[in-house]
Amino acid sequence: SQKIEQNSEALNIQEGKTATLTCNYTNYSPAYLQWYRQDPGRGPVFLLLIRENEKEKRKERLKVTFDTTLKQSLFHITASQPADSATYLCALDRSSSNTGKLIFGQGTTLQVKP
Amino acid sequence: NAGVMQNPRHLVRRRGQEARLRCSPMKGHSHVYWYRQLPEEGLKFMVYLQKENIIDESGMPKERFSAEFPKEGPSILRIQQVVRGDSAAYFCASSPPGTGDIQYFGAGTRLSVL
Repeated sequence: SQKIEQNSEALNIQEGKTATLTCNYTNYSPAYLQWYRQDPGRGPVFLLLIRENEKEKRKERLKVTFDTTLKQSLFHITASQPADSATYLCALDRSSSNTGKLIFGQGTTLQVKP
Repeated sequence: NAGVMQNPRHLVRRRGQEARLRCSPMKGHSHVYWYRQLPEEGLKFMVYLQKENIIDESGMPKERFSAEFPKEGPSILRIQQVVRGDSAAYFCASSPPGTGDIQYFGAGTRLSVL
């Protein structure tokens, strides 16, 4: 079955630096991969979706890459701010038929210090 | 356009009681997903429903758990005879007709079983 691995250790960086989070998956390559943000006591909020035929996707200070050979996605936040502190979840379709039912990684907590 | 609405936000039950969690999807969304998040764990898929149909319940425990999404009204996740291990945050997500690429999450219901 498909598994997702995210670094369970918290990532602490200084304000203004670039944060890079990693998502690795096993088994088949999904049609797309998504990144969500989750704040304490809240539900996940969608950030970016990248499809298997896309190498890179950008949205404002966010950038996602997708390497189907390495079975890895990297999530970058440039010019990080304390408000970026949250848990970031990687998600992909849980079945090879891409039916929209997601499996999530455990998430990586990012702490941006002023 | 209101987001996904879940209620109650917090629910306290004693062992053996029933818990009913409600989810109203975003307007125009016909797909509903339920996820469970245990402390220190990631989101786990439970069930995927469309109006009056259960599409995939492979993540649901075999006993005591059921879900429905009637023609009218919210989706309901029902847990009978709750046990302490059911204590968790339960999230509902919805997506528009189609493959459900992007899921929009509610704020969750936090169930505490005493």
